[in-house]
Amino acid sequence: GIQVEQSPPDLILQEGANSTLRCNFSDSVNNLQWFHQNPWGQLINLFYIPSGTKQNGRLSATTVATERYSLLYISSSQTTDSGVYFCAVPVTYYGGATNKLIFGTGTLLAVQP
Amino acid sequence: DAGVTQSPTHLIKTRGQQVTLRCSPKSGHDTVSWYQQALGQGPQFIFQYYEEEERQRGNFPDRFSGHQFPNYSSELNVNALLLGDSALYLCASSLHRGRDEKLFFGSGTQLSVL
Repeated sequence: GIQVEQSPPDLILQEGANSTLRCNFSDSVNNLQWFHQNPWGQLINLFYIPSGTKQNGRLSATTVATERYSLLYISSSQTTDSGVYFCAVPVTYYGGATNKLIFGTGTLLAVQP
Repeated sequence: DAGVTQSPTHLIKTRGQQVTLRCSPKSGHDTVSWYQQALGQGPQFIFQYYEEEERQRGNFPDRFSGHQFPNYSSELNVNALLLGDSALYLCASSLHRGRDEKLFFGSGTQLSVL
């Protein structure tokens, strides 16, 4: 099955710093999603980004589907950015009727004041 | 516009017992998926429900079963609980074959099996 790997596994930043998180996937996909899981376990959908670049405030994401990777950029990090960041890709079944998400290994981010 | 809601938030059970977790999807969504997230790992797909039927299943034993009701809400049942079933159980909703297949997750149910 498809493999989804993220790097780095852990990251510690000082408030205000910038960072880049990477997601590599082993097979072609028709979309990719980035999630932030806060310390209370809530998974928040950050981006739905099959290809190209999207921006939302201090966060932006780029997916290069042909090269099977996606990047999540966090600028001017804040303590509230702490948590685990997951990328996830769908496995679509026959006829596209259903899909399940395969989650990456995650990046644990700690932003220190 | 209510998001995905799950209940209960926390649950403690003993080995061999049975548990039922509940999920109400985001308004306008008709598809519910369940995921299990063990400590320190990413969520793992359990199964997905659409039109009150299980449409696809991950690598989970038959002890895990579910149901979807006409109002699109869903239940996850786990029988004969094992210590290894301790995890965060997440429900996600989406619009079936929608142009935007973003998944929205609830806050989860933390299950502890003693």
